[in-house]
This record gives sequence, structure tokens and C-alpha cells, in this order.
Amino acid sequence: DAKTTQPPSMDCAEGRAANLPCNHSTISGNEYVYWYRQIHSQGPQYIIHGLKNNETNEMASLIITEDRKSSTLILPHATLRDTAVYYCIVRVADYGQNFVFGPGTRLSVLP
Amino acid sequence: GAVVSQHPSWVICKSGTSVKIECRSLDFQATTMFWYRQFPKQSLMLMATSNEGSKATYEQGVEKDKFLINHASLTLSTLTVTSAHPEDSSFYICSARKDGWNSPLHFGNGTRLTVT
Repeated sequence: DAKTTQPPSMDCAEGRAANLPCNHSTISGNEYVYWYRQIHSQGPQYIIHGLKNNETNEMASLIITEDRKSSTLILPHATLRDTAVYYCIVRVADYGQNFVFGPGTRLSVLP
Repeated sequence: GAVVSQHPSWVICKSGTSVKIECRSLDFQATTMFWYRQFPKQSLMLMATSNEGSKATYEQGVEKDKFLINHASLTLSTLTVTSAHPEDSSFYICSARKDGWNSPLHFGNGTRLTVT
């Protein structure tokens, strides 16, 4: 699976959009981009995933660059409850494959 | 709502005793489940892959005789930490895939194990 690079930490003001970047320059054509977050002392929570098209759901939007070498997770109106560690994971879609977690980005939403 | 249930959410045990952690898939069958461990201020690390009806696959450095995994049904996998020691104190998390081959993994809420 391709390696990802994320900033170790970010701050965001409450009510503003939080834009979390992820670099995956060695991504291959059959690898998806998945985003998870982990709030303190809880299991990771799935947010969104995509292959090459931008995706949106009730939680967030995922913007993938045309060359697929980077992506951005957007939380449109961050709240204090969005404070968490956010993980960007790139992997081949295979039922038997696990997810490899890097250090992620610690997002702090400030009042 | 939650699709993977993990129990207990926390447990304290004495050194030398064994602890069993249960992971259940809710309303779906999971032929494969994954067990992770997370130490403070670190990321999740895969311990083993649990396969229904067959032996689990352990990651390098994880002792299979210490961390016993049983996946006896399509909705239940258990992790037993045998002869626990203080260095086994950690956050243990299970996960399973609910739908098709490109669907995301869903995680339980974790079990905080403290060995005294």
C-alpha cells in the first residue's frame, strides 16, 4: 500500500471549515483513499473514501487531485466535537486486507 | 449506529491472569476480523487477522500463544490475553468489514486493558 504523509497537527476555529491535507504521491491506480478519525479513547470512526472522483457525505467532503497524488478532507463547519486525530489511509480495495494507520493529524477545534 | 460491538469497554486485571475480549459484528456476517492494539500517544498497530473457521494470522512480533484468537462464528471473534503482564496494558480494538470488497472497515469502541 502507498505511504501517506499528513501534518502532525492543525488548529481550526469553531464554525469554520477544516481542511486536512494528505499526500500520497506513490498511489497506484487501484488504490482507494480512506479517511478515519479517532476521538480520544474511542475506536476509529469511518468518515469517507474515494478512488478518483470527489466525494461528499453527511460528515465531510473528499477532494482528490486529478493526478491522485494528494487529497483534502473538508469538514465544512467544524465543531468542538470534531477535535480528534484524523487518519488518511491508502490501500487496495480487497476484502481480506487490513488498514495500516500512520500517525495522522491531530485536529484541534478552538472556540 | 454501531456495526461492530466490543466488550468489555475496560477491564482491570491482576498480573498472571487471563482476560477475554469479545468482538461482535451486528446484523452482518464477518468472515474476517482484525485486532489492533494502541499504546498511549501512538497509532493503531495490527496484531492479527481473525478468520472464521481457521487459524488466525499474526503479525510479526505478536505471540500467538499469548494472544489467543478464536473466530468460531461469523459474528463473533474473541481475543484472550493469557498470563497478562503490566506491559500488556493497552487499548485493544477490533474491526470488521460489513459490505463488499471496497467497503470501509468498521471499528469497535475498543477495550482499555490495565494489568496491575
